Amino acid sequence: AQRVTQPEKLLSVFKGAPVELKCNYSYSGSPELFWYVQYSRQRLQLLLRHISRESIKGFTADLNKGETSFHLKKPFAQEEDSAMYYCALSLYNNNDMRFGAGTRLTVKP
Amino acid sequence: SQTIHQWPATLVQPVGSPLSLECTVEGTSNPNLYWYRQAAGRGLQLLFYSVGIGQISSEVPQNLSASRPQDRQFILSSKKLLLSDSGFYLCAGLRGGQGSFLETEAFFGQGTRLTVV
Repeated sequence: AQRVTQPEKLLSVFKGAPVELKCNYSYSGSPELFWYVQYSRQRLQLLLRHISRESIKGFTADLNKGETSFHLKKPFAQEEDSAMYYCALSLYNNNDMRFGAGTRLTVKP
Repeated sequence: SQTIHQWPATLVQPVGSPLSLECTVEGTSNPNLYWYRQAAGRGLQLLFYSVGIGQISSEVPQNLSASRPQDRQFILSSKKLLLSDSGFYLCAGLRGGQGSFLETEAFFGQGTRLTVV
């Protein structure tokens, strides 16, 4: 079965510290992975997708097929990064989407 | 661009009362549609998804049901609410058809905060 696991429900770091939000997936096919973010009182929105190999707001995520992971990283966290982050797996052929349970990141001043 | 209108934004209902949450989609046709619930202190849990009119798949057995009477309309219902149905309900869409990987971006409604009292 397809599954996305985010092992940390809560993550707290100080401003300027590196941050890594973990995501592991289970899927036998070729995955398409995303990170979505929900800031306070805003809609859930796309942060980045692995196929674009992009860096958004200083965040990057590398797909590691050997470890079936797609961890989200930022070298220097900012207070405005505080939000709920969801890792998501899109099953292209089925046009389906599975979300992890989410990690609430708090960046302290 | 795709947009989801979801209402109401907040709802307080007594135990045992019925529920109907509706979301409608603009800007795309034949989307996959999803109902998620975010319970307090927990992440998103997929409740139902639909790949087309009248097609509903349920992920978890529960007190709720879903219907898709039209291509761009997705409704979450309950005949009798339980206290445990309280939570934040989110409607989401995924563009259907033969979109590329880069176009497979989910779009979301504003959500409905349901409190069952």
